[in-house]
Amino acid sequence: QKEVEQNSGPLSVPEGAIASLNCTYSDRGSQSFFWYRQYSGKSPELIMSIYSNGDKEDGRFTAQLNKASQYVSLLIRDSQPSDSATYLCAVLDSNYQLIWGAGTKLIIKP
Amino acid sequence: DAGVTQSPTHLIKTRGQQVTLRCSPKSGHDTVSWYQQALGQGPQFIFQYYEEEERQRGNFPDRFSGHQFPNYSSELNVNALLLGDSALYLCASSLAYGGAYEQYFGPGTRLTVT
Repeated sequence: QKEVEQNSGPLSVPEGAIASLNCTYSDRGSQSFFWYRQYSGKSPELIMSIYSNGDKEDGRFTAQLNKASQYVSLLIRDSQPSDSATYLCAVLDSNYQLIWGAGTKLIIKP
Repeated sequence: DAGVTQSPTHLIKTRGQQVTLRCSPKSGHDTVSWYQQALGQGPQFIFQYYEEEERQRGNFPDRFSGHQFPNYSSELNVNALLLGDSALYLCASSLAYGGAYEQYFGPGTRLTVT
């Protein structure tokens, strides 16, 4: 059974600090990795995708991928109250099916 | 550039009834995936349609069926509704090739079964 694991949280971070969200996956053949943000009652919104080892930066967001450790993370710098949401990690497995984690709830405290 | 649209937004049905949900993909996309999301959980993959055929299917019973039309829009049908089918149903569109498999979601349909 292919799995994507995330800490359910909630993760509480002060405004202006760095929020660090983590995800591990079981399928070593996975090639594509995605972070989605989901506000309560809304649908997931794609915020980052990463395909190769290392870091990928987009504004205040940085995705980090380590395929050897089967680990992907999302860093949010200068956290804002509007970043409070559930962050979902999704992994495209070797069968080209997207496998989802259950999400980490992030709370940014003003 | 139109994003993914879904209809209806909300729906209330009774156990045993049948329901049809609709989805129009993002402009330029040719693949539609359907997900079920229960409260506090990640999306669960139902199936994916490409070129009017079901390309992949998750672990859902045959009560869940779908269709894709020549204009790439799609329908999800659920027969013999159970209370446990109450959830947010999400449609996501993507490009089969050259799109890096990024999926973009519609607003979802909230289905309540009573």
